[in-house]
Amino acid sequence: AQKVTQAQTEISVVEKEDVTLDCVYETRDTTYYLFWYKQPPSGELVFLIRRNSFDEQNEISGRYSWNFQKSTSSFNFTITASQVVDSAVYFCALTHGSSNTGKLIFGQGTTLQVKP
Amino acid sequence: DTAVSQTPKYLVTQMGNDKSIKCEQNLGHDTMYWYKQDSKKFLKIMFSYNNKELIINETVPNRFSPKSPDKAHLNLHINSLELGDSAVYFCASSQVTGGPGNEQFFGPGTRLTVL
Repeated sequence: AQKVTQAQTEISVVEKEDVTLDCVYETRDTTYYLFWYKQPPSGELVFLIRRNSFDEQNEISGRYSWNFQKSTSSFNFTITASQVVDSAVYFCALTHGSSNTGKLIFGQGTTLQVKP
Repeated sequence: DTAVSQTPKYLVTQMGNDKSIKCEQNLGHDTMYWYKQDSKKFLKIMFSYNNKELIINETVPNRFSPKSPDKAHLNLHINSLELGDSAVYFCASSQVTGGPGNEQFFGPGTRLTVL
């Protein structure tokens, strides 16, 4: 069975702190894709990143970085020098590559509050 | 130009009523989805259509009936609304053929409140 766990329900930091959001996944597939989405207070879901199971390179995009480790089945997300605008719910998600459905399995979400 | 649009954005109705939510995507994608986000923010897939064909039906009560008149539209009709149906419903689309791992683009959501 496929499962995504985001153990941190809520995180609160002060602006300019670094913060890491954890994501642990379970799948029996060898080909799969992992995603992060952001849901700001306005409610829309914004795609942040996709990573396939064969690419373990870490990725950096501005203040955002992602660490994918197959050995620990984790795909963690770090925000460096957090800002108030980073306050949102962040979702990690998984889909398996052999499927023709594209079905996303989401984690429970982590609510990040960045205080000024 | 909105990629995935949903109407209405808010829907408040009484128990027992029937209501519909409409979704349209202009991205040329072949697959569309309905997700439900409950009060605890948990997102779960309900249905998926690929080129107008139903490919996912996640044990959703049969009071929920999706309909895809063409691959750019996916509507959700709900009969006999219940209090537990109150949630935010998201439509999404992606190009699955040739790339099952392609990202999904989400609509703005429809907040349904059943009184």
